[in-house]
Amino acid sequence: DTEVTQTPKHLVMGMTNKKSLKCEQHMGHRAMYWYKQKAKKPPELMFVYSYEKLSINESVPSRFSPECPNSSLLNLHLHALQPEDSALYLCASSLPRGYPYNEQFFGPGTRLTVL
Amino acid sequence: GQQLNQSPQSMFIQEGEDVSMNCTSSSIFNTWLWYKQDPGEGPVLLIALYKAGELTSNGRLTAQFGITRKDSFLNISASIPSDVGIYFCAGLIQGAQKLVFGQGTRLTINP
Repeated sequence: DTEVTQTPKHLVMGMTNKKSLKCEQHMGHRAMYWYKQKAKKPPELMFVYSYEKLSINESVPSRFSPECPNSSLLNLHLHALQPEDSALYLCASSLPRGYPYNEQFFGPGTRLTVL
Repeated sequence: GQQLNQSPQSMFIQEGEDVSMNCTSSSIFNTWLWYKQDPGEGPVLLIALYKAGELTSNGRLTAQFGITRKDSFLNISASIPSDVGIYFCAGLIQGAQKLVFGQGTRLTINP
């Protein structure tokens, strides 16, 4: 099973709302990632979790709060977002750092619109 | 920081034609990955390359890891309408977790 799932597929929220994005994988991967992608651009890394611990935060604003409850799940909590945060949010997973075959597998994404 | 120069930025071809795109960098990478992305969807991994000089095929797709470890190319033979999309190369340095992406090649096919 090489599938990463994400919910919801689409999300519209106001600037005062609190919402969460969810990601799940059952490939036994111990590294999970959040990316943000704007139209016609490549994905930009936001966070990396390795063995359920946050290992990389690419200077992301605190209105984005990641959480890794267990080795299969990754959440992204959203609060007080701005319209410019509207984008496709992608989750990915891979074997952890140090493994020779560490390609990242992406989920289908959540299309977020902030009004 | 590392950058990947991906070319061409866009291609307009006829169905049945072969396609070639490449990525170059001034940095050495230990892994090269090629992804395809359809509108509104996540990138799908097409081919992963792990050794300098490695040539790998996946159906009509062929990719190579350059000998210098600073470049990679992807070829698509006999293109079909479902090949339409954006193709991204990505490189990974040994021990790193951050993928370095190219800017993408947008492929359009005229039937």
